[in-house]
Amino acid sequence: GDSVTQMEGPVTLSEEAFLTINCTYTATGYPSLFWYVQYPGEGLQLLLKATKADDKGSNKGFEATYRKETTSFHLEKGSVQVSDSAVYFCALSTNQAGTALIFGKGTTLSVSS
Amino acid sequence: DVKVTQSSRYLVKRTGEKVFLECVQDMDHENMFWYRQDPGLGLRLIYFSYDVKMKEKGDIPEGYSVSREKKERFSLILESASTNQTSMYLCASSSQPQLGTEAFFGQGTRLTVV
Repeated sequence: GDSVTQMEGPVTLSEEAFLTINCTYTATGYPSLFWYVQYPGEGLQLLLKATKADDKGSNKGFEATYRKETTSFHLEKGSVQVSDSAVYFCALSTNQAGTALIFGKGTTLSVSS
Repeated sequence: DVKVTQSSRYLVKRTGEKVFLECVQDMDHENMFWYRQDPGLGLRLIYFSYDVKMKEKGDIPEGYSVSREKKERFSLILESASTNQTSMYLCASSSQPQLGTEAFFGQGTRLTVV
């Protein structure tokens, strides 16, 4: 069945370091791909999304490119801040009625000053 | 802005109690979801509903039931709470899936069963 695999954490970085969180997926058809972020004590919120191959989603300095050939959607940021400390979830939608988003297990990012 | 509101942020219940978790959304979304979040396991789908009075089992429905009598409200019911149901519960809603349709989440309910 459809699934999402993302790198295990925690990821610990110093402020201004480069961030990559890997995400790969398995899906039939042409899914949409998402990155959600969960700050401490809060629910999930959408960070960025991409709906077709080679699309790049971007928001708040984060980017991810939908790579169909490698079935990947890696999250990157050039210079992380302490305020980026959170849990990041990769997810996919099959775009079909009657289905739910499929999530990866989440990656905890901790940024220190 | 879309708002998904869960009735409680924190709940403490006793083993064997019947527990109701309520979720309301204000964007006329057709789909509503209940997930539980546990460390190391990520988000796991319990139940979802794609229309009023309709429900579908997710990955871990055992020990839970749901109710959707009105479009805006989706309730999760723990028929007889057990300690292994101590978890963070997240409600979400979305419109009918099209390219890039996202889900909107509530703040979560942290349930402790003692």
